[in-house]
Amino acid sequence: GAVVSQHPSRVICKSGTSVKIECRSLDFQATTMFWYRQFPKKSLMLMATSNEGSKATYEQGVEKDKFLINHASLTLSTLTVTSAHPEDSSFYICSAQKPYRTGISNQPQHFGDGTRLSIL
Amino acid sequence: SQQGEEDPQALSIQEGENATMNCSYKTSINNLQWYRQNSGRGLVHLILIRSNEREKHSGRLRVTLDTSKKSSSLLITASRAADTASYFCATGGSNYKLTFGKGTLLTVNP
Repeated sequence: GAVVSQHPSRVICKSGTSVKIECRSLDFQATTMFWYRQFPKKSLMLMATSNEGSKATYEQGVEKDKFLINHASLTLSTLTVTSAHPEDSSFYICSAQKPYRTGISNQPQHFGDGTRLSIL
Repeated sequence: SQQGEEDPQALSIQEGENATMNCSYKTSINNLQWYRQNSGRGLVHLILIRSNEREKHSGRLRVTLDTSKKSSSLLITASRAADTASYFCATGGSNYKLTFGKGTLLTVNP
């Protein structure tokens, strides 16, 4: 199997609060984890790629200081939304890839159940 | 930039019927993947088809890939109410990233 756990599932907090979201691969070691953002009835937008032991790679237009990513172990990546504001309200989803043998490009991603973030 | 584009955006069928969803993309790919998302949940990987493959089956799912037309289709046979979900295609290139389409919302009526 390939189980990815994401916590919390829902967060409601006041503007200015920092929120940490955890993504754990439960039954495999994930070389690479990904963080996505999804708006209602829209596609997934890749925010950043998280590699264990190195700095995350952010997509164009994503603020590094706003969305802090830490990948301290092969089973855990965290996304911290710093000083969150109402425009940061969204559905955040993480995914993880199993280690690959002959190339990373043909590996499926295994997703967590997402975090619904609502900033008041 | 958006790579995959699903068609139709929404599909409503009766239980037992087949559902066909299409995906078109613009650039060259290494593989194309289909995912399913239940409302408010994460995505579940359904099937991966490599660029040198033309057809793949998994249970009631059948995926085709036509690289000359840059298109793929997902067929769900004998649909069930539990198949109601959004279905996304995602293209994988030479790097590790996936680019997702906007999805097709499938509703299977009992």
